[in-house]
Amino acid sequence: EAGVAQSPRYKIIEKRQSVAFWCNPISGHATLYWYQQILGQGPKLLIQFQNNGVVDDSQLPKDRFSAERLKGVDSTLKIQPAKLEDSAVYLCASSQKGTYGYTFGSGTRLTVV
Amino acid sequence: KQEVTQIPAALSVPEGENLVLNCSFTDSAIYNLQWFRQDPGKGLTSLLLIQSSQREQTSGRLNASLDKSSGRSTLYIAASQPGDSATYLCAGEYGGSQGNLIFGKGTKLSVKP
Repeated sequence: EAGVAQSPRYKIIEKRQSVAFWCNPISGHATLYWYQQILGQGPKLLIQFQNNGVVDDSQLPKDRFSAERLKGVDSTLKIQPAKLEDSAVYLCASSQKGTYGYTFGSGTRLTVV
Repeated sequence: KQEVTQIPAALSVPEGENLVLNCSFTDSAIYNLQWFRQDPGKGLTSLLLIQSSQREQTSGRLNASLDKSSGRSTLYIAASQPGDSATYLCAGEYGGSQGNLIFGKGTKLSVKP
């Protein structure tokens, strides 16, 4: 089966600019996650969707981050305006409802200068 | 606060050695414990998942154990190979928070030929 697709692979922007990341999960996976991994740290959950509804966004900095999952398939994560501390790898993952097996994408590496 | 710690942060061994990676967690009410592998520029690959009712899981040369009472998990790699070089992350998942994996910072393993 195809894996979790993410784009772009790399992005460099200046602070205060906006940026968007895209994720296409594995077909049939109802649950989609966005994680942020800062260099030298483990990933941290930003937001979790079940179909197109938000299950958990308690760690999402809502003043600058937003995410949506239209039609319960693809998802977009946006940052506006970006700060230097947003430099990280943004990982998308998906899983089937009720299971604990996760498939991660290769991530988008964001550098804010 | 739920925290996961991994020791050591980095490990270098000669090819063929058996090795153990350590993971400790602060909240013993863990639902499951997962070990992932992360290669540079890649996403996370799930290696082993241990449910809270289990003590260990095995896959090929990998064996993971879970001791909830002591808040510890270990990943044992037998007969290490250069292809095992990667960062290994452990993550705890807690009941009622499917998808909110609490990750350690990882152990960077280098296996020298």
